Amino acid sequence: DVKVTQSSRYLVKRTGEKVFLECVQDMDHENMFWYRQDPGLGLRLIYFSYDVKMKEKGDIPEGYSVSREKKERFSLILESASTNQTSMYLCASKGGGTYNEQFFGPGTRLTVL
Amino acid sequence: GNSVTQMEGPVTLSEEAFLTINCTYTATGYPSLFWYVQYPGEGLQLLLKATKADDKGSNKGFEATYRKETTSFHLEKGSVQVSDSAVYFCALREGSNYKLTFGKGTLLTVNP
Repeated sequence: DVKVTQSSRYLVKRTGEKVFLECVQDMDHENMFWYRQDPGLGLRLIYFSYDVKMKEKGDIPEGYSVSREKKERFSLILESASTNQTSMYLCASKGGGTYNEQFFGPGTRLTVL
Repeated sequence: GNSVTQMEGPVTLSEEAFLTINCTYTATGYPSLFWYVQYPGEGLQLLLKATKADDKGSNKGFEATYRKETTSFHLEKGSVQVSDSAVYFCALREGSNYKLTFGKGTLLTVNP
């Protein structure tokens, strides 16, 4: 079974802190994704990566950056956390091929005070 | 751009009731369509998918048919169980594009 793990289930940070959210997948997938999930808005794509050191902006990249130094790991970075970044963050990975599905991690609920 | 519209929730049903969650989409090409389910406290899991018009996806008693003429992909189940209580997301992916476009989600609660 594909396993996507996220470093924390719950995280509380203060405004202005630098925040790292880590995601690891064990299936040698080329593609990895970061979404945020908010009530009434569904899932929105922040960034995705199609290879090591490669990244593309999603729909809402402002205030976020990402890092992919190894194939299995994809990090989401909030350079200076703000209260409007309080949300559920979901990581996903996907193998190559048009019809392969995305596999999701359990999510990290981030609260910024 | 692409978009997915699904029925507003929450939806509350009694066990063994019939379920329909409506989903319509807007896309410029010929998308693949998906239903994902999120159980409480968990990430999303793929429930079913359809990759071309008239395809029917099915899994765990759920079904959805890709209707190009009405740009719809409604989710149905003939007899829901308490364990089906979850949030359901309709999504599309266009061609070889990796990006999924999600609807806003529908919370389903099934009471015994």
